[in-house]
Amino acid sequence: AQRVTQPEKLLSVFKGAPVELKCNYSYSGSPELFWYVQYSRQRLQLLLRHISRESIKGFTADLNKGETSFHLKKPFAQEEDSAMYYCALTSNTGKLIFGQGTTLQVKP
Amino acid sequence: DSGVTQTPKHLITATGQRVTLRCSPRSGDLSVYWYQQSLDQGLQFLIQYYNGEERAKGNILERFSAQQFPDLHSELNLSSLELGDSALYFCASSVRGSDTIYFGEGSWLTVV
Repeated sequence: AQRVTQPEKLLSVFKGAPVELKCNYSYSGSPELFWYVQYSRQRLQLLLRHISRESIKGFTADLNKGETSFHLKKPFAQEEDSAMYYCALTSNTGKLIFGQGTTLQVKP
Repeated sequence: DSGVTQTPKHLITATGQRVTLRCSPRSGDLSVYWYQQSLDQGLQFLIQYYNGEERAKGNILERFSAQQFPDLHSELNLSSLELGDSALYFCASSVRGSDTIYFGEGSWLTVV
């Protein structure tokens, strides 16, 4: 079964602290993995996709096929990073399967 | 701005009623997706269309239906509305259906 698991509903850190949002997946084959961010119930915005291996807003994510994980990391959290973060994978039909989301709260 | 347009942005209606949500995909995108986001269920995939044809179906209730028209815009019809249907409904689009998906601003539906 294709599934994305984000074990933390809420992650609260202080400004300047490192952040790691966990994502694990199950998928038979080679998945395409994404991180989307949603600020205050606005539209979901693409943050990262694993095949591009880029860094956006200081966030990075590495696909670990051995651990079936795609954790999102940032070395120093900023208050404007407070948002809901969704990990997702693309199924073989192209639809996105989302995790339950993690709310990141960055405290001053 | 993602280029995906959804109308209406907000809608309040009574139980038992029927509403239609509209989505215009990004220019050139052939694939359209509908998602429902509620507080307790998170993001739920409803349905996907590709160039007018249904391609994948998720947790879409029988009271709900959708279609994609020849000009590629899509409509999601919700009927016999219940209080539990109150949610944010997102439309998204992609070029082929196996690449990056871009989301619209969503339509807030409140059923009273």
